[in-house]
Amino acid sequence: KNEVEQSPQNLTAQEGEFITINCSYSVGISALHWLQQHPGGGIVSLFMLSSGKKKHGRLIATINIQEKHSSLHITASHPRDSAVYICAVRWAQKLVFGQGTRLTINP
Amino acid sequence: EADIYQTPRYLVIGTGKKITLECSQTMGHDKMYWYQQDPGMELHLIHYSYGVNSTEKGDLSSESTVSRIRTEHFPLTLESARPSHTSQYLCASTTGNTEAFFGQGTRLTVV
Repeated sequence: KNEVEQSPQNLTAQEGEFITINCSYSVGISALHWLQQHPGGGIVSLFMLSSGKKKHGRLIATINIQEKHSSLHITASHPRDSAVYICAVRWAQKLVFGQGTRLTINP
Repeated sequence: EADIYQTPRYLVIGTGKKITLECSQTMGHDKMYWYQQDPGMELHLIHYSYGVNSTEKGDLSSESTVSRIRTEHFPLTLESARPSHTSQYLCASTTGNTEAFFGQGTRLTVV
């Protein structure tokens, strides 16, 4: 069983929709990262969280340490948001990844 | 701007050859990682280091070795490349409470 589980694995939505991607983890962590990977591209860090909530533009990330759960929200989604979104946790000196959520936003 | 670099970006090599993938960062990060990622698939941790002279194996046995003689440099070596090693290799670094930074990756093809 993976230490980090994401849902959904695939998500297709229409432009303008509100998007939520979930991440649950089973270990004690020091921080959680949300990352973005475009097809054929490198990985870009979106957020690093250890508590509470962070916002950057149309992206919002929240974490609930007690429930071992984090969410990434995208407001007013756009086709350029289409990418794989990855949750990763810092645990025992390691950076452990979820399996990723493939998001497709149709015009 | 991320200051973590991987070379080469692309490599095609014959079976049995020894290769070293380079990863360097200029941010003074103590933690560095190597991941393997097949197209469209998730990342698997191969090796990691939390400081100079410390290296650990990750969850994926890839028949590779790493070294961390200097803070900024974390090379990955395949002693004898096989077609099963064909994949993309990603290097990352972080420290303390900073975000993680990723290299652009090395796409390796073993023929």
